[in-house]
Amino acid sequence: GAVVSQHPSRVICKSGTSVKIECRSLDFQATTMFWYRQFPKQSLMLMATSNEGSKATYEQGVEKDKFLINHASLTLSTLTVTSAHPEDSSFYICSASSGLANVGETQYFGPGTRLLVL
Amino acid sequence: DQQVKQNSPSLSVQEGRISILNCDYTNSMFDYFLWYKKYPAEGPTFLISISSIKDKNEDGRFTVFLNKSAKHLSLHIVPSQPGDSAVYFCAASRGSARQLTFGSGTQLTVLP
Repeated sequence: GAVVSQHPSRVICKSGTSVKIECRSLDFQATTMFWYRQFPKQSLMLMATSNEGSKATYEQGVEKDKFLINHASLTLSTLTVTSAHPEDSSFYICSASSGLANVGETQYFGPGTRLLVL
Repeated sequence: DQQVKQNSPSLSVQEGRISILNCDYTNSMFDYFLWYKKYPAEGPTFLISISSIKDKNEDGRFTVFLNKSAKHLSLHIVPSQPGDSAVYFCAASRGSARQLTFGSGTQLTVLP
């Protein structure tokens, strides 16, 4: 199956700093990447959808100035949590799809990044 | 408004028996459904999917059933193995949107 990597897998930072998370599709070109957030014992909540070369589309309630998404190439998308605060502590997961089909497309997920803001 | 629901937060099954995980949805526009398996601190792994034009899809030990009139789908795992112990999420998408709407997950524990 398709492989998606995320880096770093875990990060601890001080309040007020910014953190960048990378998501890479290793063996396919991802025209679309998705960023999710998961709180403990809860479902994955879609934060934003990013298409290569265009601006990300954010879900309602997600601050685009706080969660900066860049999808500069067909294999890399980045999520930057700016001026992080303790409430941003969460598990962030990206997924990627190749865009080969309009319907029934499978998303492949990265292993996730655990962010802890002190 | 939770459009995809997994009403059972947990399920325990004896090794070798069948595991049945259930999922209900409310949005009739959903036309593609997927099941993912997730271990702690890892991303979800795709298991099996089904299009709304079908009512069954089978892949090895995993079978997904779709009942469109009831807006219900289920994942059957048989025989269940201890390595199947994980959280299982069902997800749905519609048309060309590609965004997935996830259920809240069911923790499956397969007892040896």
